[in-house]
Amino acid sequence: GAVVSQHPSRVICKSGTSVKIECRSLDFQATTMFWYRQFPKKSLMLMATSNEGSKATYEQGVEKDKFLINHASLTLSTLTVTSAHPEDSSFYICSASVGGGRGGYTFGSGTRLTVV
Amino acid sequence: GNSVTQMEGPVTLSEEAFLTINCTYTATGYPSLFWYVQYPGEGLQLLLKATKADDKGSNKGFEATYRKETTSFHLEKGSVQVSDSAVYFCALSASGAGSYQLTFGKGTKLSVIP
Repeated sequence: GAVVSQHPSRVICKSGTSVKIECRSLDFQATTMFWYRQFPKKSLMLMATSNEGSKATYEQGVEKDKFLINHASLTLSTLTVTSAHPEDSSFYICSASVGGGRGGYTFGSGTRLTVV
Repeated sequence: GNSVTQMEGPVTLSEEAFLTINCTYTATGYPSLFWYVQYPGEGLQLLLKATKADDKGSNKGFEATYRKETTSFHLEKGSVQVSDSAVYFCALSASGAGSYQLTFGKGTKLSVIP
């Protein structure tokens, strides 16, 4: 089945540094990828929708300059958390629609970001 | 807008007990409905889905039926196991901003004790 590989699975960084998270679709072309953030004991919050070759669409309240999304190819989307702060610590998950949104979505395994 | 409401947990059951996790939704048009499962420290995995009214999704002993008249997609399993302990998310997919987006419920944590 369709697989999305997300790396790294865990990352610890110092405040003020930037962290890049990658999501790759391994056996299909992901025209659209979604980036979510999950707070402890909370549901997933959609941060942005990433379309290949165009600018990402951010949800209300998500800082575009802080969470940079690049979707330069049909198999790779990246999320860069710039100038990270402890409040950015969270679990970030990407997903890609498979066969169009009605067919389902496949998720990456998630990245646990801890900013110290 | 679209929304998903699922019963709040945590839910604690003994092994072999019957499980029901309620999920209702609000959406325009005809959404697809999903249940996802998240094991500790992992990403989400699709458990089952239904794309139209009266469809029944099933997988690993779990079932859910797309009920348009009650706008519900309740998750059931006849006999839970310890390995079913996880967080379960109900979700819908509907068109928005030109692409299909997933809207999630808040998740229900299930703990199954031997």
